[in-house]
Amino acid sequence: AQSVTQLGSHVSVSEGALVLLRCNYSSSVPPYLFWYVQYPNQGLQLLLKYTSAATLVKGINGFEAEFKKSETSFHLTKPSAHMSDAAEYFCAVSGDSGTYKYIFGTGTRLKVLA
Amino acid sequence: NAGVTQTPKFRVLKTGQSMTLLCAQDMNHEYMYWYRQDPGMGLRLIHYSVGEGTTAKGEVPDGYNVSRLKKQNFLLGLESAAPSQTSVYFCASGVATDTQYFGPGTRLTVL
Repeated sequence: AQSVTQLGSHVSVSEGALVLLRCNYSSSVPPYLFWYVQYPNQGLQLLLKYTSAATLVKGINGFEAEFKKSETSFHLTKPSAHMSDAAEYFCAVSGDSGTYKYIFGTGTRLKVLA
Repeated sequence: NAGVTQTPKFRVLKTGQSMTLLCAQDMNHEYMYWYRQDPGMGLRLIHYSVGEGTTAKGEVPDGYNVSRLKKQNFLLGLESAAPSQTSVYFCASGVATDTQYFGPGTRLTVL
């Protein structure tokens, strides 16, 4: 079975500071991993995905994530936070044999301070 | 392309009433999903479909039914609404284990 844990339901950073949102996963098969962003009153939008190619994945809006198999982690980073990055971020895992489902983390709400 | 659309955007029901939420996608995706989103719980899968005419239960299927009569549409029904079904409902479509594309959501309140 697969699972996802997002550490920290709320994260605050100053504008211009590093953003680090943590995601750890559990999977008995090689996983597909995703980060989605949700702005207020909107649906989820894909930020980036890992599908067993390069371990460092670059996404939209300057975000990137690194797949570390030894640590079962897929943390999301951005070198310099912008006010427009304030949103909720969800990590998800997929790929379990025979299923076509995502397992989502519980989300991390990012607040950017001026 | 409209992507994934959901109807309605908002709805208020009384306990015991029924309703159907409609999801439509124009990307020719085989797979479609219904999720509910509740504070602090992320997204939980209600039902999903891997093709026209097929449906399967997800993590929290009780109290909901679905139908996929056409490839582009996925309907979610509540036969007898309960306050515990107050939530935001999202539909998504995609290709197997790859990217899912989400609709804008339906905010449902059950009084």
